[in-house]
Amino acid sequence: DIQMTQSPSSLSASVGDRVSITCRASQSISSHLNWYQQKPGKAPEFLIYGASSLQSGVPSRFSGSGSGTDFTLTISSLQPEDFATYYCQQNYSPPLTFGGGTKVEIK
Amino acid sequence: QVQLVQSGAEVKKPGASVKISCKASGYSFTSYAMHWVRQAPGQRPEWMGWINGHNDNTKYSQKFQGRVTITRDISASTAYMELSSLRSEDTAVYYCARDGVPAAQDWFDPWGQGTLVTVSS
Repeated sequence: DIQMTQSPSSLSASVGDRVSITCRASQSISSHLNWYQQKPGKAPEFLIYGASSLQSGVPSRFSGSGSGTDFTLTISSLQPEDFATYYCQQNYSPPLTFGGGTKVEIK
Repeated sequence: QVQLVQSGAEVKKPGASVKISCKASGYSFTSYAMHWVRQAPGQRPEWMGWINGHNDNTKYSQKFQGRVTITRDISASTAYMELSSLRSEDTAVYYCARDGVPAAQDWFDPWGQGTLVTVSS
């Protein structure tokens, strides 16, 4: 199975800050990497596919980059509604696996 | 709009089985695969398997092979996930999630609201 590791596991930031979250795969997954946002008590919501393609309706302050084993989710200017947990997920090969999550908290 | 509505919370004893439903609306049910993902408290989501949108082919995570069965009723636009031989470690929120595109790219969008399954004696 492909292991997905996110860092940091949590971070504190202020509204307006630029935030970056890293996801690393245990082997090369090309660009088969997706990102989700999850708020407490809610299902995850889909943000980015193919490492860098923004899902329709997702604000442009979200962006993704990377390929191979190292990927980054960036929020260019953190908004109040962005405080949540973010997960990466690989769809290179089954079993589909998720990273451990990064909780973005208010400073 | 696309919507997935799951059945309600379940409490089961160890060794029992649970079957969760996921009713889809707002799109062509047979055009998209349906995945099942679970999330234990405070843990990362865990993919369990999926059923092909175009036929009844299924693929399961090796971790759940032999214990999980995913089926569907096309006439009701409803997918089902049954998990047997439940143990306390199966306590989690179970989600259905449609594949993002008809070509089955194995990403999840949208998700159902989740069904809490509690396994306790």
